[in-house]
Amino acid sequence: EPEVTQTPSHQVTQMGQEVILRCVPISNHLYFYWYRQILGQKVEFLVSFYNNEISEKSEIFDDQFSVERPDGSNFTLKIRSTKLEDSAMYFCASSGTSGNAGELFFGEGSRLTVL
Amino acid sequence: AQTVTQSQPEMSVQEAETVTLSCTYDTSESNYYLFWYKQPPSRQMILVIRQEAYKQQNATENRFSVNFQKAAKSFSLKISDSQLGDTAMYFCAFKRSNYQLIWGAGTKLIIKP
Repeated sequence: EPEVTQTPSHQVTQMGQEVILRCVPISNHLYFYWYRQILGQKVEFLVSFYNNEISEKSEIFDDQFSVERPDGSNFTLKIRSTKLEDSAMYFCASSGTSGNAGELFFGEGSRLTVL
Repeated sequence: AQTVTQSQPEMSVQEAETVTLSCTYDTSESNYYLFWYKQPPSRQMILVIRQEAYKQQNATENRFSVNFQKAAKSFSLKISDSQLGDTAMYFCAFKRSNYQLIWGAGTKLIIKP
C-alpha cells in the first residue's frame, strides 16, 4: 500500500540553526501539506502546496518557514532559524484529486527538538 | 470560520464495551468532508473513518461507525467491541476539498483490560 514517508524521524538541533524536514508523498498525489503538533496540543495547519506553489498558509507559517518540491518527489519544509517554540511533531500529508480528494494520507511524523 | 469541537478530553471504557466519541463542527459550507483520525502512542496519524457531507448514509468501517447529523453539525464516532489496541488519541477533523484540515482538540480514549 502506498504511503507517505518522512525523514528524519527525530532531529535535535540548537536554537538558531536551520532544519530541513523531508517528505516523500504518495506518487500520484498532487496536493501536499505540512501540519505540526506541539506536545499535548491540537494539530495545527502550516501550509498546503499545489502545482509548485503555496496554495494556503497559516499565521504560523511566517518568513522563517519555506517549502519546496525540488525534484518532483520530495517535499521539504525548511525552518531557517529555529526557536524553542518550534519543538513539535511535524506531519507531512498528501491527497489526490478525485475520489479521495478529501482524504489526507499522513506520514509518521518528524519530531523536532530545539534546545 | 470553520471550527471543530470535541467536548470530551478523556474517556475510559472496559474492553469489549461500546464507546461513543462526540464531535460537533461549525461551517457555512454545504460540501465538505469529515474524518476521525487515531493517534496511538507512536504518534502517527491514522485515518479511522471518513464521511462525505453529501452522503446521508453513515460511514462504517468494521467496528467503527459514525452518526452523522448534518443539520445538527454533529459527527460522533462509535467504537464497538473495543479492544486494547484502540487506546489512543482520537481527533475529529473537517475539510473542504483541497483546503486545510481543521482539527478538534482530541479525545484521549483508554481501553481498560
